[in-house]
Amino acid sequence: AQSVSQHNHHVILSEAASLELGCNYSYGGTVNLFWYVQYPGQHLQLLLKYFSGDPLVKGIKGFEAEFIKSKFSFNLRKPSVQWSDTAEYFCAVNGGSSYKLIFGSGTRLLVRP
Amino acid sequence: GAVVSQHPSRVICKSGTSVKIECRSLDFQATTMFWYRQFPKKSLMLMATSNEGSKATYEQGVEKDKFLINHASLTLSTLTVTSAHPEDSSFYICSARDMLGQSNTEAFFGQGTRLTVV
Repeated sequence: AQSVSQHNHHVILSEAASLELGCNYSYGGTVNLFWYVQYPGQHLQLLLKYFSGDPLVKGIKGFEAEFIKSKFSFNLRKPSVQWSDTAEYFCAVNGGSSYKLIFGSGTRLLVRP
Repeated sequence: GAVVSQHPSRVICKSGTSVKIECRSLDFQATTMFWYRQFPKKSLMLMATSNEGSKATYEQGVEKDKFLINHASLTLSTLTVTSAHPEDSSFYICSARDMLGQSNTEAFFGQGTRLTVV
């Protein structure tokens, strides 16, 4: 069965600090990988996605993620966070032709001004 | 981007009553919609996959008679929590994908419904 692990449950950073959120998945075949963000009081929004090709994916708001197949990882990064990045971040995966998205447990990011 | 509208955003009901939550895709047709439940400080747990014109597919451990799903059209899916109990209190979120999309397309999410059963 597919599963997604996010190891950082809570992260607190100061503005301008660099961010890296870990995501590991378990699935033996081809996967599609996503990062979603949920700002306070808002619905989930797509940050970025990886299907194939360049393993370094750039998303909105300066976020990027790198797919490392050998490590089954898809970590999210941002070189310099802003207060407005305070939100909860979810990694998600669906395998092969499956439509079902499986989510990680989420990481709450608090950026202090 | 595509919009998925979920209604109501909040509902409080008495134990034993039923509550219906609607999920609409506003600018695309969704043959498949998904219903999730989000527990406090936990991830989104997939409850069921709703298929237009056919029965929903429920995840293991989800009671199909308790969580009735209807997907009568390409733009509307409903989740009815029947005979609600306080333990059903949670945040329910729907998601939809464009019918022309493949498995690697973006899923769009509704705003979620906060259900409180008293």
